[in-house]
Amino acid sequence: DSGVTQTPKHLITATGQRVTLRCSPRSGDLSVYWYQQSLDQGLQFLIQYYNGEERAKGNILERFSAQQFPDLHSELNLSSLELGDSALYFCASSTKTGTEAFFGQGTRLTVV
Amino acid sequence: GENVEQHPSTLSVQEGDSAVIKCTYSDSASNYFPWYKQELGKRPQLIIDIRSNVGEKKDQRIAVTLNKTAKHFSLHITETQPEDSAVYFCAAPKNQAGTALIFGKGTTLSVSS
Repeated sequence: DSGVTQTPKHLITATGQRVTLRCSPRSGDLSVYWYQQSLDQGLQFLIQYYNGEERAKGNILERFSAQQFPDLHSELNLSSLELGDSALYFCASSTKTGTEAFFGQGTRLTVV
Repeated sequence: GENVEQHPSTLSVQEGDSAVIKCTYSDSASNYFPWYKQELGKRPQLIIDIRSNVGEKKDQRIAVTLNKTAKHFSLHITETQPEDSAVYFCAAPKNQAGTALIFGKGTTLSVSS
């Protein structure tokens, strides 16, 4: 158990819908990262938050957004879902940058 | 920003053989290079990392080497065992501020007994 909790574990939804993925980082970790893992794309970095503020952006679509709350948990919102958004979404956290990132167990999103 | 290339994409070895996975990075200012192992259906987990002030680090059967001049680093697994079968990812910091990790596309290692 990495200490990073993601909910839900599985999510099935229809195209055009909106979903919210939730992540609770390890106790004390200020940085939260979101990654998308598709079969042929490896781990794609989406976005990072540090202590409530956006720190870095990767290949995140405009239909996707995220935030980190005062209690340091984070949510990733995916809207106008398309079939191609089906993937495993990982959240990771770390104490500070340049140190080990601990991954949650992921949320498997299936868009039908 | 950082770009990480990883080779090979698949690697098959016999139990007891060695396996080597190589990665190159683009940002010469990068200073932290971790390797993650992801077993089927599980989360990626750190197996070893190296910082730019050292050239090699070893932990039992696994080692990582870093060549800053050439901007590449490699994972070496000796005496491979079936339980080493997994996907391995290398990574480097996104930019000089050392923010998020950018991962290579992964290497699927298969160890047959």
